[in-house]
Amino acid sequence: AQSVSQHNHHVILSEAASLELGCNYSYGGTVNLFWYVQYPGQHLQLLLKYFSGDPLVKGIKGFEAEFIKSKFSFNLRKPSVQWSDTAEYFCAVNRGSARQLTFGSGTQLTVLP
Amino acid sequence: NAGVTQTPKFRVLKTGQSMTLLCAQDMNHEYMYWYRQDPGMGLRLIHYSVGEGTTAKGEVPDGYNVSRLKKQNFLLGLESAAPSQTSVYFCASSYPGRIETQYFGPGTRLLVL
Repeated sequence: AQSVSQHNHHVILSEAASLELGCNYSYGGTVNLFWYVQYPGQHLQLLLKYFSGDPLVKGIKGFEAEFIKSKFSFNLRKPSVQWSDTAEYFCAVNRGSARQLTFGSGTQLTVLP
Repeated sequence: NAGVTQTPKFRVLKTGQSMTLLCAQDMNHEYMYWYRQDPGMGLRLIHYSVGEGTTAKGEVPDGYNVSRLKKQNFLLGLESAAPSQTSVYFCASSYPGRIETQYFGPGTRLLVL
């Protein structure tokens, strides 16, 4: 069965620090990869997605993610976080032809002002 | 456009009671999904639908039923609620394409006593 792992459950950073959240998946075939964000009290919003082409994907609010096929990873990065980035971040994967989106368990990011 | 809306926002049930959660989307999306979100487990797919009149089981379908009588609506039913169904329920919709982006509703918080 396909699985998605987010090893960092809770990350605490100060403003202006750099961020990298890990995401690894287990499926070896063609995959589509997503990062969603859930701000406190809000619903999930798409940050960025990858399906082919340049493995470095840029999303909204200064976030980017790099797909490394050999490592089955799709890590999320931001050079300088802001207090407003405090949220829960979910990595999600689906196979090229499948309808189901498999989510990781999420990483809670707390940015201290 | 309202996007994806969910009714109700919050509900308390007693064990054994039944209820229906309503999801509506105004984006003319073909696909609709129901997820549950539990602490430390991310989102798990309950049921989904690829079109009006069709539904399919996801990862955790037991104890739930769904119906998609109209393209814009996707109903999730609990026939006999159990405390294990205490969760936050999210509906999502998407349009079929090379890479689907799922758009999420605001969620329904359900407490089963």
